[in-house]
Amino acid sequence: GQQVMQIPQYQHVQEGEDFTTYCNSSTTLSNIQWYKQRPGGHPVFLIQLVKSGEVKKQKRLTFQFGEAKKNSSLHITATQTTDVGTYFCAELSGTYKYIFGTGTRLKVLA
Amino acid sequence: NAGVMQNPRHLVRRRGQEARLRCSPMKGHSHVYWYRQLPEEGLKFMVYLQKENIIDESGMPKERFSAEFPKEGPSILRIQQVVRGDSAAYFCASSPGEGELFFGSGTQLSVL
Repeated sequence: GQQVMQIPQYQHVQEGEDFTTYCNSSTTLSNIQWYKQRPGGHPVFLIQLVKSGEVKKQKRLTFQFGEAKKNSSLHITATQTTDVGTYFCAELSGTYKYIFGTGTRLKVLA
Repeated sequence: NAGVMQNPRHLVRRRGQEARLRCSPMKGHSHVYWYRQLPEEGLKFMVYLQKENIIDESGMPKERFSAEFPKEGPSILRIQQVVRGDSAAYFCASSPGEGELFFGSGTQLSVL
């Protein structure tokens, strides 16, 4: 079945350091979404990528979609304590069903 | 415009009882999804529904679990004869179709 792998599973960084999480799929994707879940909270949508090689930025966050549309990355520059949480990618399976990745849990040490 | 509403936030059941989890999607959203999350784990897809129809239930256990999204009222995820292994957070999400999913705050089910 469809699998969405994310690496790393956990990441601890000092505040101010950069952070990157990678999402890899076994299939070519039509699009990919990214979500953030704060501890004790619910997933919140961050962004959707559709085009091959697409790069989108949101302040300190940079999202990239691979040229072959089989992988994606989320990079955070100069992490802050507010970035703490779990970051999930989600890939579209079929028309409307989204399969979520395993997630990367980010801890930021002040 | 209220967000996705889930209730109850916390539900405690004894083994063998039934659990009913409710989800009211955002206004105008006709697509509802249910996901299950164990502590420190990812979101596992369970079922995708549109009004009065189950579109994809490939993630639902074959027994004891059922879901509905009636013409009127909230979507219901029903778990019969709960077992300890059913303890988890159950998240509902809605969408108008393509695009982002809007999640509710979840229901934490604890089975004693």
